[in-house]
Amino acid sequence: KAGVTQTPRYLIKTRGQQVTLSCSPISGHRSVSWYQQTPGQGLQFLFEYFSETQRNKGNFPGRFSGRQFSNSRSEMNVSTLELGDSALYLCASSLNSQGGTEAFFGQGTRLTVV
Amino acid sequence: GNSVTQMEGPVTLSEEAFLTINCTYTATGYPSLFWYVQYPGEGLQLLLKATKADDKGSNKGFEATYRKETTSFHLEKGSVQVSDSAVYFCALSLSGNTPLVFGKGTRLSVIA
Repeated sequence: KAGVTQTPRYLIKTRGQQVTLSCSPISGHRSVSWYQQTPGQGLQFLFEYFSETQRNKGNFPGRFSGRQFSNSRSEMNVSTLELGDSALYLCASSLNSQGGTEAFFGQGTRLTVV
Repeated sequence: GNSVTQMEGPVTLSEEAFLTINCTYTATGYPSLFWYVQYPGEGLQLLLKATKADDKGSNKGFEATYRKETTSFHLEKGSVQVSDSAVYFCALSLSGNTPLVFGKGTRLSVIA
């Protein structure tokens, strides 16, 4: 079956702009989580959606937001981009959000802010 | 809070050498433990997992045992290959609706 699909793979944006990233989870998976990966901070949790509801949120400013649609596809939006937002953004899907459930990751979207 | 600590990298080994990557955790409950691997330009792939104390996860020659007494989940492989070169992440997940908590990752380079 198809894996987690993230689009686009690469993005270059200018400071102050906004960006929307997309994630299509594995069919049947209802939980979608987003992570930011940078060389300095490693993998940091952004938020998690389950059945269109945000269940968990990490420690990121309000410029970072997300949503999940009825087909479980998810988008994340970053407004007023800053240079420090340059990172690899990873999406993970799982059947549910219970501990011990395997998470499957997409290849990520590499965002560069100039 | 919940956290994962991994040994600092990078780790450079010759082909067929023995690999150990240390991982210890702090958790408020009884977590499930995972090792993920990230190959260059890719997302993370689950390598192995263990859901309770004394469980051993294994896959592709890699093994890790959930040690509750030492709060550890060290990754081992008896004979590494060049194709094992990647970044390895230790992670934990608690029961309920909690996200994965990752260590900072350990970069492994295997040279022929």
